Amino acid sequence: KAGVTQTPRYLIKTRGQQVTLSCSPISGHRSVSWYQQTPGQGLQFLFEYFSETQRNKGNFPGRFSGRQFSNSRSEMNVSTLELGDSALYLCASSFGLAGADTQYFGPGTRLTVL
Amino acid sequence: AQKITQTQPGMFVQEKEAVTLDCTYDTSDPSYGLFWYKQPSSGEMIFLIYQGSYDQQNATEGRYSLNFQKARKSANLVISASQLGDSAMYFCAMRELQTGANNLFFGTGTRLTVIP
Repeated sequence: KAGVTQTPRYLIKTRGQQVTLSCSPISGHRSVSWYQQTPGQGLQFLFEYFSETQRNKGNFPGRFSGRQFSNSRSEMNVSTLELGDSALYLCASSFGLAGADTQYFGPGTRLTVL
Repeated sequence: AQKITQTQPGMFVQEKEAVTLDCTYDTSDPSYGLFWYKQPSSGEMIFLIYQGSYDQQNATEGRYSLNFQKARKSANLVISASQLGDSAMYFCAMRELQTGANNLFFGTGTRLTVIP
């Protein structure tokens, strides 16, 4: 079974631009979560989707948004990029929402904002 | 308040030796899950092991075992017979189950270096 895939793997943008990152979950998984990883803040939760509905959102400004499609694929968008948005963005999928449902991560998208 | 604490920024272990990576957690939720992930330099987070708060036995997965001490709120990862490929960042994470949220809270990680 294929793992979680994320595209693109690397991205370079300039301040003020917007960016869209894509995540394809493991086949059959309906929950997708996004995390931001930076050296200073560590791993921080962005948002979570299940069956096309955002269930939970972390403490990030409204410039960060996301959505999930009917095939469970998810996208996240960051508008008006700032230098501090440079980070590794990780997507994780799980089968459902039960306690033991493990989140499996993709390889990440490394975003650099210049 | 920090929900997950990993106090060891870096650890060294000799190849073939065992090593323990520390993790303490803080939650008022009686139902929670604890996870350990490995992150090599490539960036991908690899799931290693899971422990539920109501599990009676400590979890084991191959060379990985979790030393779960509920009263002390600790969930240490034990790696036996270390291999060079074990060199990576290791993250402890928790999911609080009663809240209904699916997100993980991560610690700051421990960088493990295996010495030949």
